[in-house]
Amino acid sequence: GAVVSQHPSWVICKSGTSVKIECRSLDFQATTMFWYRQFPKQSLMLMATSNEGSKATYEQGVEKDKFLINHASLTLSTLTVTSAHPEDSSFYICSARLLQETQYFGPGTRLLVL
Amino acid sequence: RKEVEQDPGPFNVPEGATVAFNCTYSNSASQSFFWYRQDCRKEPKLLMSVYSSGNEDGRFTAQLNRASQYISLLIRDSKLSDSATYLCAVILNTGTASKLTFGTGTRLQVTL
Repeated sequence: GAVVSQHPSWVICKSGTSVKIECRSLDFQATTMFWYRQFPKQSLMLMATSNEGSKATYEQGVEKDKFLINHASLTLSTLTVTSAHPEDSSFYICSARLLQETQYFGPGTRLLVL
Repeated sequence: RKEVEQDPGPFNVPEGATVAFNCTYSNSASQSFFWYRQDCRKEPKLLMSVYSSGNEDGRFTAQLNRASQYISLLIRDSKLSDSATYLCAVILNTGTASKLTFGTGTRLQVTL
């Protein structure tokens, strides 16, 4: 069964609104969670790495004020896309890992900004 | 240069064929290597880890060549259900975190 869940699985919103995506690790405590973004026909690009209780580390080119990450517990991380615009439309995938063990991926959230 | 590079394909092969994918990585300090499978509009799923000694899982064989910095995946006796995008991924430990970096993926289409 799934070990990482994401909610919602898809969302359509108007330009300018903020969208929150939740990522939960099921049956294990994730010391590290990762957020990826995938545009059509492209690879998964790592956006940020977050460790529970500390600030997320963003990859170069990813605006931390636009993509707010909160990793409040060992089983939950949230990504908020603030003031979303059409160019933010993408497939957002989280993954979770316990220490250096296998990294498990969530089912992804498809975001469409109109 | 991209950290992980793959031929995007598509590779169109008939059922039963053997197909091989290669992937190159740029950072010689990369530590761990993987092949993932991604179906359309789905998350990637781990297919297998890759070791220098080579490893096999049924019809799938993976190989790592550290000297040349490439990873390969061989699929024997292709099935229709093998149609998917195959992503190679490497882990580079930066000291503060180990990050899984993906290639763009190689699309495989197996036909009757």
